[in-house]
Amino acid sequence: GDSVTQTEGQVALSEEDFLTIHCNYSASGYPTLFWYVQYPGEGPQLLFRASRDKEKGSSRGFEATYDKGTTSFHLRKASVQESDSAVYYCALSDRGGNEKITFGAGTKLTIKP
Amino acid sequence: GGIITQTPKFLIGQEGQKLTLKCQQNFNHDTMYWYRQDSGKGLRLIYYSITENDLQKGDLSEGYDASREKKSSFSLTVTSAQKNEMAVFLCASSMQISYEQYFGPGTRLTVL
Repeated sequence: GDSVTQTEGQVALSEEDFLTIHCNYSASGYPTLFWYVQYPGEGPQLLFRASRDKEKGSSRGFEATYDKGTTSFHLRKASVQESDSAVYYCALSDRGGNEKITFGAGTKLTIKP
Repeated sequence: GGIITQTPKFLIGQEGQKLTLKCQQNFNHDTMYWYRQDSGKGLRLIYYSITENDLQKGDLSEGYDASREKKSSFSLTVTSAQKNEMAVFLCASSMQISYEQYFGPGTRLTVL
């Protein structure tokens, strides 16, 4: 079946540091890839998505590029802020008519002021 | 815009009790989902429904029932609550084509 692997379970940075959260996927077809963010006490919300190889998704200074060759969709931000502290989920959607999304385990990002 | 409402926000039950969680959406979305989120863990799909009266099992459906009588609502029943099921249950919805999911705030289940 489909799967999503996030390498980092927790990341702790200082404000203005560069962020990378690694996401690799395994899917039989050509999936759509997502990044979701979850703040404490809330449900996850979509950060952005990408549907084609080499497509870049971006929002709020975060970005990720769909790489079919390395089956990756790594999340990056050049300069993090304390307000970016949250849990980030990488996910994929099978486009073979199946409506469900497969989520990674999540990465908890903590930014120290 | 739209909103997903989950009731109750907190649900406390006894071990072995049957408990029901409710979800309503006003996005007019076709597809709805129930996920379980254990403390510090990711999301695991319990059930989803691609249209009214449709039900599809996810990876974690054992011990749960679901019901989609109307397009706007999706209920989840814990058939016999266990202490190891204490978690936050998240409801979500999406348009059939776009695959973007919109989530509710969750119901936190405590089993005594």
